[in-house]
Amino acid sequence: NAGVTQTPKFRVLKTGQSMTLLCAQDMNHEYMYWYRQDPGMGLRLIHYSVGEGTTAKGEVPDGYNVSRLKKQNFLLGLESAAPSQTSVYFCASSPDPYEQYFGPGTRLTVT
Amino acid sequence: KQEVTQIPAALSVPEGENLVLNCSFTDSAIYNLQWFRQDPGKGLTSLLLIQSSQREQTSGRLNASLDKSSGRSTLYIAASQPGDSATYLCAVYSSASKIIFGSGTRLSIRP
Repeated sequence: NAGVTQTPKFRVLKTGQSMTLLCAQDMNHEYMYWYRQDPGMGLRLIHYSVGEGTTAKGEVPDGYNVSRLKKQNFLLGLESAAPSQTSVYFCASSPDPYEQYFGPGTRLTVT
Repeated sequence: KQEVTQIPAALSVPEGENLVLNCSFTDSAIYNLQWFRQDPGKGLTSLLLIQSSQREQTSGRLNASLDKSSGRSTLYIAASQPGDSATYLCAVYSSASKIIFGSGTRLSIRP
């Protein structure tokens, strides 16, 4: 039972490049979330999903897109990376809306 | 708008002391409150989840309390150890998409 895993662990992008972050969970959870964590800003919700095939915007969705084609996977895409998207990205999953399990994070640097 | 505050931002105590970490929130209409631990460069590990109908939860040397009417939760750590050094975050669940994290308390236990 791996819990929540994230791929990749680290990535450096140049401004304007695109990439996809993958989150996978093996706990059969309905809910999945993407956060970013920045110094002094805490954790902020980017997008979330309440089930396979659904997505919704969180607090800071601009510049990101997501997809949940399979229940166990939640993808976060950056179409045209900007330096302001330099951050640590965390994925979380939960069996209901009110308790979360987090992945180890992806450290992204955009130069 | 829900706001979550954790004071102090940093705390250093000698090993063996009992200590209390604080989490305050402005809107008492919450479902759950969850305490996490985050080690440097790592993801968030869930410590305790308190449902809105509960007053406290205990796990080993940890005890978390919840007072919705005053908008406060405390995390009590008994007989602190150097291994308890980490950042502790609280998260308040107001709805499926309204999950607000505090900025955390960075705890250092001196041997």
